[in-house]
Amino acid sequence: DGGITQSPKYLFRKEGQNVTLSCEQNLNHDAMYWYRQDPGQGLRLIYYSQIVNDFQKGDIAEGYSVSREKKESFPLTVTSAQKNPTAFYLCASSIGGGALVTDTQYFGPGTRLTVL
Amino acid sequence: GENVEQHPSTLSVQEGDSAVIKCTYSDSASNYFPWYKQELGKGPQLIIDIRSNVGEKKDQRIAVTLNKTAKHFSLHITETQPEDSAVYFCAASNDFGNEKLTFGTGTRLTIIP
Repeated sequence: DGGITQSPKYLFRKEGQNVTLSCEQNLNHDAMYWYRQDPGQGLRLIYYSQIVNDFQKGDIAEGYSVSREKKESFPLTVTSAQKNPTAFYLCASSIGGGALVTDTQYFGPGTRLTVL
Repeated sequence: GENVEQHPSTLSVQEGDSAVIKCTYSDSASNYFPWYKQELGKGPQLIIDIRSNVGEKKDQRIAVTLNKTAKHFSLHITETQPEDSAVYFCAASNDFGNEKLTFGTGTRLTIIP
């Protein structure tokens, strides 16, 4: 899991409530990512950020929001607009910084969100 | 966009035998292909990767082969051990895609003692 921490490991919320998942890294990486993992569907990209104060939508951004105010932090908010929020959420980071080749992405341990 | 298909979805292998997992990709511009291992309840960990300027890469019992013409790449694990049991994911990316990875759907590998 390297220097990426996600908290909490398990999270339960009632339907209709917003919830924020934490992701912190001490690797001095510029780029950070959020993925959603569902059984049999692999990992799907929600949002990514290549530098502080900038982020882009991934393939399944609807119902999610992010912020990148600090280099080491990239929190993900799952809003009430997300129709099926129960899933395993993974945060990742890579060196980024405009490198000319794709860098290795390192993953955190994940947060399992269950919406009741 | 890129599409990555991974086969098989499950694979059972006798301890000591070899395991092979295959992936195909659709975007001919893809040039970076990592493989991740995910143990239950944990985040994926990179085990090996390959770039399109080479056809094969080895690291002890693990090897990856790449066929750019056919747009497919494979993971080979030799002399399998019980600790190799996990879910394996392939992925693809290109240097012009802002480091976005497109993942396959995963292969659950079980090593039978």
